[in-house]
Amino acid sequence: AQTVTQSQPEMSVQEAETVTLSCTYDTSENNYYLFWYKQPPSRQMILVIRQEAYKQQNATENRFSVNFQKAAKSFSLKISDSQLGDTAMYFCAFMKKTGGAQKLVFGQGTRLTINP
Amino acid sequence: NAGVTQTPKFRVLKTGQSMTLLCAQDMNHEYMYWYRQDPGMGLRLIHYSVGEGTTAKGEVPDGYNVSRLKKQNFLLGLESAAPSQTSVYFCASSTRLAGVYEQYFGPGTRLTVT
Repeated sequence: AQTVTQSQPEMSVQEAETVTLSCTYDTSENNYYLFWYKQPPSRQMILVIRQEAYKQQNATENRFSVNFQKAAKSFSLKISDSQLGDTAMYFCAFMKKTGGAQKLVFGQGTRLTINP
Repeated sequence: NAGVTQTPKFRVLKTGQSMTLLCAQDMNHEYMYWYRQDPGMGLRLIHYSVGEGTTAKGEVPDGYNVSRLKKQNFLLGLESAAPSQTSVYFCASSTRLAGVYEQYFGPGTRLTVT
């Protein structure tokens, strides 16, 4: 079974700083996807960024980028020029690539606070 | 497009009562999922469905039943609620279109069992 671990329960940075959230996972699969989801106080789950395991190039979405280390099974999220609106819970998630249901396995989450 | 909607948004039950949570999606997605989120933990999969009329167990299925009689709806039932089922419940849907691997989530239902 796959497991996802986020070792930082809480983080706090000043506005405009850069912050990196850590995520490690355990799997014997070779084809899979990794995701970062943001959950603001509204509770809505919002997809931030997605990485396909077979792609060596790290994914980027505007101020959000990942550092994907497949051999180390590490998938960290970097937020540049952080904004107050980035305050939220962030969840790392794993999805095995399969022809069937696309089940997600989530980490425990990191609560990120951006201070003015 | 409403996306994924959940009914109700909040509910308080007494131990032993039953209820049904409704999830609806208007994206014609084949797959639907029910997750629960507890404090200090990520979302955990309760049950899922790969198509109309089919359901399967996820990671934490005990105490719940599901049904998918229509493609757009996925119901989660609690037959005899217990305090351990106090949680936030999320529904999600996704499509099997090639290259599309994203789950779309509903806004969640906060359930308290006293």
